[in-house]
Amino acid sequence: QVQLVESGGGVVQPGGSLRLSCAASGFTFSNYGMHWVRQAPGKGLDWVAFIGYDGNNKYYADSVKGRFTISRDNSKTTLYLQMNSLRAEDTAVYYCTKSRDWAGWYYFDYWGQGTLVTVSS
Amino acid sequence: AIQLTQSPSSLSASVGGRVTLTCRASQDISNTLAWYQQKPGKSPKLLIYDASSLESGVPSRFSGSGSGTDFTLTISSLQPEDFATYYCQQFNNYLITFGGGTKVEIK
Repeated sequence: QVQLVESGGGVVQPGGSLRLSCAASGFTFSNYGMHWVRQAPGKGLDWVAFIGYDGNNKYYADSVKGRFTISRDNSKTTLYLQMNSLRAEDTAVYYCTKSRDWAGWYYFDYWGQGTLVTVSS
Repeated sequence: AIQLTQSPSSLSASVGGRVTLTCRASQDISNTLAWYQQKPGKSPKLLIYDASSLESGVPSRFSGSGSGTDFTLTISSLQPEDFATYYCQQFNNYLITFGGGTKVEIK
């Protein structure tokens, strides 16, 4: 079965950096686009970034553009999110999600359990 | 970016009752809309995609409709496991946004 396991969350000071990882299994990772979606404590869902199946296409939410970088290693079936210049408003649970399919790449059919990022001094 | 407005923000309903949730887009998004269910402390679950297509494994009591700017999610006979928060989500111009959510509580 599909499994997405995030890691790398923690507490970081404003202006700091953090790299999240997502280990994927149970499907052919290299065939699917992947996303990061976040959720601030007690708040709604907020899409962060997308990367195409081969890493060539990347899209970002305006709120993170220029600060966050999404990447993937298909040989390791792992998704990454490099987060720089972190702000208090980036505090959230970060979910790794799988695109439903090629046609519906903007829908998320599997989600990880999430990893909490706290930006605080 | 396109805004999605969900209404109501919360509602109380009885087991066995019929529930209709609404999602309105700030501009025409055709049918590129999905619905997700999230229970406390859990990850969201995809219910409906392309406005009205039922995701595999999702009970048939869930249905979606609409196109353009107005969309609805209907639960025909509410079950105890359906009490949760529901989010709509859209895609347009390479940006993805979610609605603010509707919390469905037990009456």
